[in-house]
Amino acid sequence: QSALTQPASVSGSPGQSIAISCTGTSSDVGGYDYVSWYQQHPGKVPKLMIYDVNNRPSGVSNRFSGSKSGNTASLTISGLQAEDEADYYCCSYTSSSTFVFGTGTKVTVL
Amino acid sequence: QVQLVESGGGLVPPGRSLRLSCAVSGFTFSSHVMHWVRQAPGKGLEWVAFISSDGNNKYCADSVKGRFTISRDNSKDTLYLQMDSLRVEDTALYYCLTAGGYWGQGTQVTVSS
Repeated sequence: QSALTQPASVSGSPGQSIAISCTGTSSDVGGYDYVSWYQQHPGKVPKLMIYDVNNRPSGVSNRFSGSKSGNTASLTISGLQAEDEADYYCCSYTSSSTFVFGTGTKVTVL
Repeated sequence: QVQLVESGGGLVPPGRSLRLSCAVSGFTFSSHVMHWVRQAPGKGLEWVAFISSDGNNKYCADSVKGRFTISRDNSKDTLYLQMDSLRVEDTALYYCLTAGGYWGQGTQVTVSS
């Protein structure tokens, strides 16, 4: 199972909106509404930001939103803040009853 | 509060075995699907395995299939990962987590001669 494809880096200025893409196939992202997104600050444990494509766990800011079109899922961060600078990973369920993570995206706040 | 505490990591030579444990508290363990995820030094996240709430369904990544076995003891609120025939490329920080997004702090596994 190959890792889902994410851009290596995305950057934006405070207050802007950015989107991170996560591209897979019809056997994973495109086939199921089981895409999640994790945020990881350096040296820290990953934190769940979005589950089931577009659902936010309790306590996660509504500046984070998820969507999916075909084989590509996206995480949008609106009103970018300095604290959003981190690595972000998508994760999808697959047709093999397994899961696969994305390659990861480093978000930089300019 | 919810707590997941991994243990059992360490330094082992290639070909040896280790068994990781993940003791949980603060939620009904027997009702939750559980996962193992690992992260090699300076690398991204890699999904390793998951097990259904009753332990009857288990799936592993191709990279560990035939070498790693996930299991659980719902009477002890504990998740396990038996790792056999360890390879240098299995070196990573191993996390246990719930499907709902609760993660442990991880346990380090280093495979080196």
